[in-house]
Amino acid sequence: KAGVTQTPRYLIKTRGQQVTLSCSPISGHRSVSWYQQTPGQGLQFLFEYFSETQRNKGNFPGRFSGRQFSNSRSEMNVSTLELGDSALYLCASSLIQGAGEQYFGPGTRLTVT
Amino acid sequence: ELKVEQNPLFLSMQEGKNYTIYCNYSTTSDRLYWYRQDPGKSLESLFVLLSNGAVKQEGRLMASLDTKARLSTLHITAAVHDLSATYFCADRAIDKLIFGTGTRLQVFP
Repeated sequence: KAGVTQTPRYLIKTRGQQVTLSCSPISGHRSVSWYQQTPGQGLQFLFEYFSETQRNKGNFPGRFSGRQFSNSRSEMNVSTLELGDSALYLCASSLIQGAGEQYFGPGTRLTVT
Repeated sequence: ELKVEQNPLFLSMQEGKNYTIYCNYSTTSDRLYWYRQDPGKSLESLFVLLSNGAVKQEGRLMASLDTKARLSTLHITAAVHDLSATYFCADRAIDKLIFGTGTRLQVFP
């Protein structure tokens, strides 16, 4: 069974631009959660999608948004990028909603210059 | 505030020695996760602890959960260099994971 895949793996953007990251969950998994990892703040929950609906959201500004498609693939978007958005963005898939056992993808390393 | 505290933050240990990483959490959750992360890599699931008193072992690692004390431990037995990594515990808080700060483990000869 294929694992969680994330694209792209690396990304360099300039302040003020926007970015879209993609996540394909494990086949059959309907929940996708997104996390941001930085050296200063550690691992922080961004949001969870289940059945194309956002079920829970972390404490991030509205510049961070996401969506989920009918095939459970998810995208997250960050608009008006700031230097502090530089981070490793991890996607995790789960069979059930609500933090069942989560399987993490390889992550997307975003660098904002 | 929902919090997960790990200690120590850094652990440098000699091969062959034993040590324990502690994870204190603030919710009344009965589900606790341990992950491993190698530098520049993603998170690898190590253990899922589902109830009070749960104990799981895999190789030189053993994890336990005490929900009354809101404490989980990850015990390392006879450490080897391959165990060098950062270890995270994560508490299930309703419908998201709250991660600890991580313990960076370095095993030297």
